[in-house]
Amino acid sequence: EIVLTQSPGTLSLSPGERATLSCRASQSLNSIYLAWYQQKPGQAPRLLIYGASSRATGIPDRFSGSGSGTDFTLTISRLEPEDFAVYSCQQYGDSPYTFGQGTKLEIK
Amino acid sequence: EVQLVESGGSLVQPGGSLRLSCATSGFTFSSYWMHWVRQAPGKGLVWVSRIKTDGTTAYADFVKGRFTISRDNAKNTVYLQMNNLGAEDTAVYYCARRYSESNGNYPFDPWGQGTLVTVSS
Repeated sequence: EIVLTQSPGTLSLSPGERATLSCRASQSLNSIYLAWYQQKPGQAPRLLIYGASSRATGIPDRFSGSGSGTDFTLTISRLEPEDFAVYSCQQYGDSPYTFGQGTKLEIK
Repeated sequence: EVQLVESGGSLVQPGGSLRLSCATSGFTFSSYWMHWVRQAPGKGLVWVSRIKTDGTTAYADFVKGRFTISRDNAKNTVYLQMNNLGAEDTAVYYCARRYSESNGNYPFDPWGQGTLVTVSS
């Protein structure tokens, strides 16, 4: 089973700032089957990024993903008030489709 | 509009059973893999089970032999039969659709709003 470790656990930033979230895999994701989700309190997750760097339909271009192998990054270029949420990475190469434990992005 | 609506969650005693349903609309259900993912209170997302378009299933190790996923393409609905439930199964259970019907590997989107399962005496 591929274990995904996200850092930091909590990130405190202000609107307008740049956010950088990390996701590290326990083994190489050879085919870059890495996704990022956003989840707000009481809501279902929403897909942001797939294939490590492709934005899902309707996702603003301030969200970007990068990385390969075992190290992946989600960057939010300029934080909007609605961006404060929990972000989770996921590998979907094969079952079990594992998730990271999440990074909480909170308003500073 | 694509919609996924879960139902069936409730309070159940340890050792009990429950069947969750996820009714879908707005897309060709038979063409998509479907998944169940759960989230314990205050915790992260955990994948539970998947069913492909041909009915092939997969399960997380912690539910093998206890949970069964199935689908009814005539009703556009996916199910999760859960048996021998324990306190550790307490969670919001989400159903989610594979992002694309194309060949290849795809993540999950969209998701339903979730249904709460509480296992307690």
